[in-house]
Amino acid sequence: QVQLVESGGGLVKPGGSLRLSCTASGFTFSDYYMSWIRQAPGKGLEWFSYISSSGSSTNYADFVKGRFTVSRDNAKNSLYLQMNSLRAEDTAVYYCVRGGNGDYGGRYWGQGTLVTVSS
Amino acid sequence: EIVLTQSPGTLSLSPGERATLSCRASQSITSNYLAWYQQKPGQAPRLLIYGGSSRATGIPDRFSGSGSGTDFTLTISRLEPEDFAVYYCQQYGSSPLTFGGGTKVEIK
Repeated sequence: QVQLVESGGGLVKPGGSLRLSCTASGFTFSDYYMSWIRQAPGKGLEWFSYISSSGSSTNYADFVKGRFTVSRDNAKNSLYLQMNSLRAEDTAVYYCVRGGNGDYGGRYWGQGTLVTVSS
Repeated sequence: EIVLTQSPGTLSLSPGERATLSCRASQSITSNYLAWYQQKPGQAPRLLIYGGSSRATGIPDRFSGSGSGTDFTLTISRLEPEDFAVYYCQQYGSSPLTFGGGTKVEIK
């Protein structure tokens, strides 16, 4: 069955950096678009990044552009998120999400990893 | 950016009743790329409906999606105890991908 397992979350100071990983199994990872979506405590869902199946195309929401970088290693069935210049408002649960065949609809979600930005 | 407005914010119903949730978009959604998710406390969201009306794998047929363009509806024909949760719509046809603010379905 499809599994997505995020790791790398934790407590970081404002201005700091963190790298999240998502390990995929149960499907051909290189065939699918992937996204990162987050949810601040007690708030709704917020998309902020996606990457094409080959990794050649990426897109970001304005509020993370220039600070976050998404990448993937299809040989390792892994998705990554490099987060720099973190702010308090980046505090959230970060979800790794698999799209459909040729679209970014969230077919499968990981369990999420909590990132807390605080001094 | 496409803004999605979900209504009502909270729906108070009893098990066995019918639930009708609305998602209205500020502009037409490309290719009907509209999804509905269910989220329970402490859990990741679960896909219910994609493409406006296609049920995801393993989703009971009491869940149905309809609509096109700017107006979409999620219907739960008869509420089961496990259906009380928060529901989000999302458009994934245009960047930035956007979510509605959610509808909480609570036990009356």
